[in-house]
Amino acid sequence: GAVVSQHPSWVICKSGTSVKIECRSLDFQATTMFWYRQFPKQSLMLMATSNEGSKATYEQGVEKDKFLINHASLTLSTLTVTSAHPEDSSFYICSALLPGDTQYFGPGTRLTVL
Amino acid sequence: GNSVTQMEGPVTLSEEAFLTINCTYTATGYPSLFWYVQYPGEGLQLLLKATKADDKGSNKGFEATYRKETTSFHLEKGSVQVSDSAVYFCAQDTGSQGNLIFGKGTKLSVKP
Repeated sequence: GAVVSQHPSWVICKSGTSVKIECRSLDFQATTMFWYRQFPKQSLMLMATSNEGSKATYEQGVEKDKFLINHASLTLSTLTVTSAHPEDSSFYICSALLPGDTQYFGPGTRLTVL
Repeated sequence: GNSVTQMEGPVTLSEEAFLTINCTYTATGYPSLFWYVQYPGEGLQLLLKATKADDKGSNKGFEATYRKETTSFHLEKGSVQVSDSAVYFCAQDTGSQGNLIFGKGTKLSVKP
């Protein structure tokens, strides 16, 4: 089946620094990728939809200047958490949409901001 | 607004026991419904789906039937195995391409 990877799988950073998370579709091209955030014992919440070659579409309440998304190629989307603060600590999950409307999910990235 | 509610876990069962994980939804229209599974250390995987009322999705011995009258999509398996231990997420689509609304997830542990 289609495989999506994320890197890093976990990261710890200091408050005020920026962190970049990569999402790659390893064996297929994805014009659309999604970024989700998951708090402990909570649902996955869609943050934004990333389309290759165009600006991401953010969900209501998600700060686009804080969560920068770049979908530079058909196999790579990146999420940069800028000036991270402890409240940004969370589990970030990406998915890639395979033509035919099936989403394939990455394993997630655990971000801890000290 | 649209939402998905599933039973809270964790659920602990003995091998070969019967499994039911309840899921209900609220929606303004008729969404497609999904069950995803997340094994330890892995990404979410689509387990099964149903796109219209009375459809039954099935995979790996798991089944779920889209019940419009009760707005439910309960997951069942007749005989669970230790390898079924995972977190199960119920979800619906919103109509927009690919956008999914997830339940909180139910952790299943199966003991030998």
